[in-house]
Amino acid sequence: AQRVTQPEKLLSVFKGAPVELKCNYSYSGSPELFWYVQYSRQRLQLLLRHISRESIKGFTADLNKGETSFHLKKPFAQEEDSAMYYCALSGGDYKLSFGAGTTVTVRA
Amino acid sequence: GAGVSQTPSNKVTEKGKYVELRCDPISGHTALYWYRQSLGQGPEFLIYFQGTGAADDSGLPNDRFFAVRPEGSVSTLKIQRTERGDSAVYLCASSPQPGLAGGFYNEQFFGPGTRLTVL
Repeated sequence: AQRVTQPEKLLSVFKGAPVELKCNYSYSGSPELFWYVQYSRQRLQLLLRHISRESIKGFTADLNKGETSFHLKKPFAQEEDSAMYYCALSGGDYKLSFGAGTTVTVRA
Repeated sequence: GAGVSQTPSNKVTEKGKYVELRCDPISGHTALYWYRQSLGQGPEFLIYFQGTGAADDSGLPNDRFFAVRPEGSVSTLKIQRTERGDSAVYLCASSPQPGLAGGFYNEQFFGPGTRLTVL
């Protein structure tokens, strides 16, 4: 069975402050991990994936297999980062398992 | 180009009624997915189509739920004898083709969802 846990429902930070969204997973094989984002009144969209190892909009995420984590980080939060963020896992069968999501609010 | 579209955007029905939810994927995308998102939760997988066939329907909660994709493009999710617990946002996603062996994954593009309310 595969499971994704996002322990924080809500996260509030000041503009310019670092932000970290936690994601832990359980999966017996080698998963692929993703972060999806949903801005207000927009549809769910892919933010980044661990395989590409790229930084998108200043966000990075490192897959730590020892700790089974895939935390999302940004050193300086911007107001436009306010959104709902979902961590997701694929076990190689194309369907995604999502966490419950974290709502991020960046305050001026 | 146009993204994934879903109709209707909102559907209110009464307990026991039958509903159909439609998804128009991005043109040329062979893979299509349905997810259900209950309040305060992340999306949960329901069913995956590759072309016209349902390659994985393991997420359908019971036999009241059924989905078709007869021509390999538009898909319809059908719910019989709706219950209040079926109330949720139903999301559709499509991707160009399923991932290749070895872990390559094709991005799923999501539609805006259909909000179903069962009274």
